[in-house]
Amino acid sequence: QKEVEQNSGPLSVPEGAIASLNCTYSDRGSQSFFWYRQYSGKSPELIMFIYSNGDKEDGRFTAQLNKASQYVSLLIRDSQPSDSATYLCAVKAGSARQLTFGSGTQLTVLP
Amino acid sequence: ETGVTQSPTHLIKTRGQQVTLRCSSQSGHNTVSWYQQALGQGPQFIFQYYREEENGRGNFPPRFSGLQFPNYSSELNVNALELDDSALYLCASSLTEMNTEAFFGQGTRLTVV
Repeated sequence: QKEVEQNSGPLSVPEGAIASLNCTYSDRGSQSFFWYRQYSGKSPELIMFIYSNGDKEDGRFTAQLNKASQYVSLLIRDSQPSDSATYLCAVKAGSARQLTFGSGTQLTVLP
Repeated sequence: ETGVTQSPTHLIKTRGQQVTLRCSSQSGHNTVSWYQQALGQGPQFIFQYYREEENGRGNFPPRFSGLQFPNYSSELNVNALELDDSALYLCASSLTEMNTEAFFGQGTRLTVV
């Protein structure tokens, strides 16, 4: 079982719709959760982080964390073609030095 | 722009050669982590440097080594290159060694032929 799992996609949504990206993790000691956006050929860009159960909103992005169920999700409202990218979920256990990444979900927003 | 810069951006090396990749961390950040990202995969942790000492290491062989300098910039060295070392190498800097929010440089694309 992978430590951090994401659906690889591709996930396609029409422009203006809500895109929902999901991530599950296996280490119950995980305490910090991150979403990175990676355009093709570029490096990952941090777009959201969440540490506590519940929702965290930042503009069109909402991160949701449920530690009991060991999942974290990212909602993108009013999706734009410029949101088309691979979204990486990353998890950090409390004492760990590293981020553990999923393989990413490829999102395509259709005009 | 994250303020993290890596050089070179692209590199082609021959199997068996050695390579050095460089990273300048964001101002005020004393911790640098290196990751390897193969095509279609998420980044894999190589190691972290904090105050010039290796501060954690992933599942990579000893031919992957690094340095951090007093100005917190860092190098990744890979000896005896193998074809499977072809990947995007990412440097991430963070404010502290507990690596809360980590910001990546633009990466170095290494191709081993």
